[in-house]
Amino acid sequence: DGGITQSPKYLFRKEGQNVTLSCEQNLNHDAMYWYRQDPGQGLRLIYYSQIVNDFQKGDIAEGYSVSREKKESFPLTVTSAQKNPTAFYLCASSIDASLAKNIQYFGAGTRLSVL
Amino acid sequence: QKEVEQNSGPLSVPEGAIASLNCTYSDRVSQSFFWYRQYSGKSPELIMSIYSNGDKEDGRFTAQLNKASQYVSLLIRDSQPSDSATYLCAVKGGTASKLTFGTGTRLQVTL
Repeated sequence: DGGITQSPKYLFRKEGQNVTLSCEQNLNHDAMYWYRQDPGQGLRLIYYSQIVNDFQKGDIAEGYSVSREKKESFPLTVTSAQKNPTAFYLCASSIDASLAKNIQYFGAGTRLSVL
Repeated sequence: QKEVEQNSGPLSVPEGAIASLNCTYSDRVSQSFFWYRQYSGKSPELIMSIYSNGDKEDGRFTAQLNKASQYVSLLIRDSQPSDSATYLCAVKGGTASKLTFGTGTRLQVTL
């Protein structure tokens, strides 16, 4: 059953705590992305990775970190430096980020809240 | 000026009518255009992609692209209550890797 799996579905963060959101794909896609969505807002790009061991900052990378040690996995850490982390986090993947016809497919999302 | 603009709605149409959703973009070199549907509390799912001027039809959905006017639209024929969702327009410019999303238009199909 191919797809993108995000876990957990819901996550709560205490003040000063780092939390990590998981994203795994078995679509054999090279590119992976992390977005943040706030209520009534569009998706904003946090980080993306076009290939293993390489990633680039998106529009709102401050307070977040990522790694891409395996093609299938692209975890996102929300650090204590991110002062307003409450949002819906979406992971996506695509075959090749450089292609014009670069269709991104999304996981089910993780909803992060602050305790 | 926002890079990708959509009317936030809600756009209310009666069941069986045509829903017309519009999107304008600012980057003239944009090459690829996508429409995603997002139900409340769920993740976006791709409905249509369009890459050249004109119309592209898929079932009840038609995407229309006019690069000269920097305008892309989505028509939904025979609207159903299950079409009630937020529709996100996304634009990819040139060789840039990222998609830029609009804030979405909320569609309500009434009985």
